Amino acid sequence: DAGVIQSPRHEVTEMGQEVTLRCKPISGHNSLFWYRQTMMRGLELLIYFNNNVPIDDSGMPEDRFSAKMPNASFSTLKIQPSEPRDSAVYFCASSGLAGGTDTQYFGPGTRLTVL
Amino acid sequence: GNSVTQMEGPVTLSEEAFLTINCTYTATGYPSLFWYVQYPGEGLQLLLKATKADDKGSNKGFEATYRKETTSFHLEKGSVQVSDSAVYFCALRGTQGGSEKLVFGKGMKLTVNP
Repeated sequence: DAGVIQSPRHEVTEMGQEVTLRCKPISGHNSLFWYRQTMMRGLELLIYFNNNVPIDDSGMPEDRFSAKMPNASFSTLKIQPSEPRDSAVYFCASSGLAGGTDTQYFGPGTRLTVL
Repeated sequence: GNSVTQMEGPVTLSEEAFLTINCTYTATGYPSLFWYVQYPGEGLQLLLKATKADDKGSNKGFEATYRKETTSFHLEKGSVQVSDSAVYFCALRGTQGGSEKLVFGKGMKLTVNP
């Protein structure tokens, strides 16, 4: 069974450019989470979706960040314009009600570097 | 609100040493409790979990018991290996509305030397 898939695995871009991170959750899962991890701030929840609907976006740092989930098998996190302080590892995770599980399964992450 | 407090480290141990990582929580009701592990260069993965008081989660030689009276979920392993070197996160999932999300501790980096 494929786990959570994220692309790209690494992204290097220049300040001011648009960055789009992609996530494919585990099939059948109905909740999807975007996290950011840095040395300074640790692991932060940015936003999560339930049944493709955003439930809590209180962790999104500012208007430069946006996330969408057009269907149950795909989500994007966009940063426009990007800034050096956005450099971090971004994780996507999914969880599902099947089997009563409340376990989140994480993808391998996207390491973003903004120069 | 819900919160998790855990040892932050970093901690360095020799192989076969005993490991304890403390974790305490604040939450209303009866949250589910988790330990996640992050190996270098990878995403987090579930190590073990417990969903009600006095439950013991166990996996790969690690154990943690859900203690309601002390609001704790300490992680233990009797004999660590070099391959256990990783960052360990304690987390809880609340029981209130919008409770799908996890609240994580800050993580503790463990290095095990041969």
